[in-house]
Amino acid sequence: ETGVTQSPTHLIKTRGQQVTLRCSSQSGHNTVSWYQQALGQGPQFIFQYYREEENGRGNFPPRFSGLQFPNYSSELNVNALELDDSALYLCASSKTGGPADTQYFGPGTRLTVL
Amino acid sequence: AQKVTQAQTEISVVEKEDVTLDCVYETRDTTYYLFWYKQPPSGELVFLIRRNSFDEQNEISGRYSWNFQKSTSSFNFTITASQVVDSAVYFCALSEANAGNMLTFGGGTRLMVKP
Repeated sequence: ETGVTQSPTHLIKTRGQQVTLRCSSQSGHNTVSWYQQALGQGPQFIFQYYREEENGRGNFPPRFSGLQFPNYSSELNVNALELDDSALYLCASSKTGGPADTQYFGPGTRLTVL
Repeated sequence: AQKVTQAQTEISVVEKEDVTLDCVYETRDTTYYLFWYKQPPSGELVFLIRRNSFDEQNEISGRYSWNFQKSTSSFNFTITASQVVDSAVYFCALSEANAGNMLTFGGGTRLMVKP
């Protein structure tokens, strides 16, 4: 186990609703990254937080937003949910956020949008 | 822009066979890092290995070995004497020195090892 935890495990929402996903990073890690993994595909980078600041963003619209807290845990918020947002959302933590740093992943939150 | 291609979407082998998973990458950076992750049915991505662009030495860890060749932009992964527990989806990923900690993943290869 990596020590990265995510909640909830599963979530069902309807189109247009808002959702908040949570992640606790591994002890000693100050960087959290979020990824979206659609069924049968590789994970896609959403954004990264380093010491409570957004530190890089992938090709996702502004309705995907996040926060990082002083204890380095993080939230991913998605507004105005669309059917295509149905996916496994993975959180990963790393020590420094540098390119050589290994990211350790949590078990994910499976979001279904109806 | 960076890209990772795993051309094999699905591989099926019988236990004890050797199997190689291919990974080809594209990057403009001279400094970059390559990773392999395993995703069992539970969904969690499990880190297997990290390689930097300056280290082309092959690596062996038990039944696992990795072959990094810059000349062909490939970072292939071989499992020797496969076991049923090796059944999973395997992802190759790339991070560039100029792109922070962002990982670009390939589409994954689903490996099924039959008893």
